Amino acid sequence: DTEVTQTPKHLVMGMTNKKSLKCEQHMGHRAMYWYKQKAKKPPELMFVYSYEKLSINESVPSRFSPECPNSSLLNLHLHALQPEDSALYLCASSQDWAYRETQYFGPGTRLLVL
Amino acid sequence: TQLLEQSPQFLSIQEGENLTVYCNSSSVFSSLQWYRQEPGEGPVLLVTVVTGGEVKKLKRLTFQFGDARKDSSLHITAAQPGDTGLYLCAVLWMDSSYKLIFGSGTRLLVRP
Repeated sequence: DTEVTQTPKHLVMGMTNKKSLKCEQHMGHRAMYWYKQKAKKPPELMFVYSYEKLSINESVPSRFSPECPNSSLLNLHLHALQPEDSALYLCASSQDWAYRETQYFGPGTRLLVL
Repeated sequence: TQLLEQSPQFLSIQEGENLTVYCNSSSVFSSLQWYRQEPGEGPVLLVTVVTGGEVKKLKRLTFQFGDARKDSSLHITAAQPGDTGLYLCAVLWMDSSYKLIFGSGTRLLVRP
């Protein structure tokens, strides 16, 4: 099973809302990632968790708050977002956060901020 | 400037035609990956090339890593509508830590 699942698939939220994106994998991977993909652009790394610890934060605004409750789950908490945050949010996982480890991507959550 | 430049940005072709997509950089890489992303889905790894000059085939797709390991190409023979999608090259890049960096992408549309 090489599946990474993400919920919800679509999300519409206002700028004052608080919402969360969820990502789950059962491959025993110890590295998990959040990427942001704007329309017609490639994915860009936001956060890396390795062994449930935040290892990389790519200068992401604090209105995005990641959380890794256990080795299978990764959340992205959203608060006071701006319309320019509308994008596809992709979760990925890999065996380890190491060179040449293949990353497996979920289908993404398409977020629209009104 | 982007680490990886892909060309063309967009390609619309008829079913049965051949095409080549390019991924170029001024940097040298120890490996390079190609992904395909279909609408509404995440990227899926197609291949990893490691050795300069390496050629890998995946059915009708042929991937080549440049001799100097700075560039790569993807050639599709007899394209089919199912090949439609966004093709992304990517490298694992080390600055302060390892990051997967994607190219600018080539959007392919194969018309039946």
